Amino acid sequence: AQRVTQPEKLLSVFKGAPVELKCNYSYSGSPELFWYVQYSRQRLQLLLRHISRESIKGFTADLNKGETSFHLKKPFAQEEDSAMYYCALTGGYQKVTFGTGTKLQVIP
Amino acid sequence: DVKVTQSSRYLVKRTGEKVFLECVQDMDHENMFWYRQDPGLGLRLIYFSYDVKMKEKGDIPEGYSVSREKKERFSLILESASTNQTSMYLCASSFSLAGLTYEQYFGPGTRLTVT
Repeated sequence: AQRVTQPEKLLSVFKGAPVELKCNYSYSGSPELFWYVQYSRQRLQLLLRHISRESIKGFTADLNKGETSFHLKKPFAQEEDSAMYYCALTGGYQKVTFGTGTKLQVIP
Repeated sequence: DVKVTQSSRYLVKRTGEKVFLECVQDMDHENMFWYRQDPGLGLRLIYFSYDVKMKEKGDIPEGYSVSREKKERFSLILESASTNQTSMYLCASSFSLAGLTYEQYFGPGTRLTVT
C-alpha cells in the first residue's frame, strides 16, 4: 500500500521567514513525487515534481529515500505563497495518492 | 494549454437520485482520475482509468462507478446518492511516457450537495 503523510494541517509564518512543508511517504517501489498547490478560488495545479529537480516560485523539494521524505522548502516566504499545498505520490499502475494537505498562511 | 472541463460547477441532488458527473480533457491524455476533496481529508482517489474502457478502483470506490467509452471523457456515476457523498469532486488527467508519469491537470471541480 502507498501512503502520504503531511503532519501539519496549518503552517503560519511571517513574510520573509523560511518555510518548510513536510511530506513523508510509504511505498515499496520507486515513487514519483509531486507537490501541488491550490490558491484561493483556483484549480489545483502542479508546483513541482521530484524528477525535474527544479525550483518553481522559489520552492524546492528534495527526495530523501533514506528518510522517505519530500519536504517542500522556500527560504523567504511571500504573501502570495499563502495557499493549500498537497504532496502526492504515483506508484504502480498510475495510482496516485495525495496527502491531506497543509494550509500555508503567510503573515504580512 | 491543457483543458480539463467538468460538466457542472454546482449540483444539488436528492437522496436516492442517480447522479452523473462528466469530465472532458482535450490533450489526448491516457490517464484520467476522479477524486473527492473534503476538508481535513485532502484528495481521495475514487476511480482512475489508464485507457479507454479500462478502470481501476481507487481508495474509496464504494457507492460510485465510472465509465470511459472515449479517451477524452471520463464519467463518475453515483448510483443512489446519499448525504455522505456531499463533497467537492475533482477530475484530473495525465499522460505517461517511457515509464514516467507526468503531472496531473485538474478540472475546476463540481460541488455536489445531496439533500
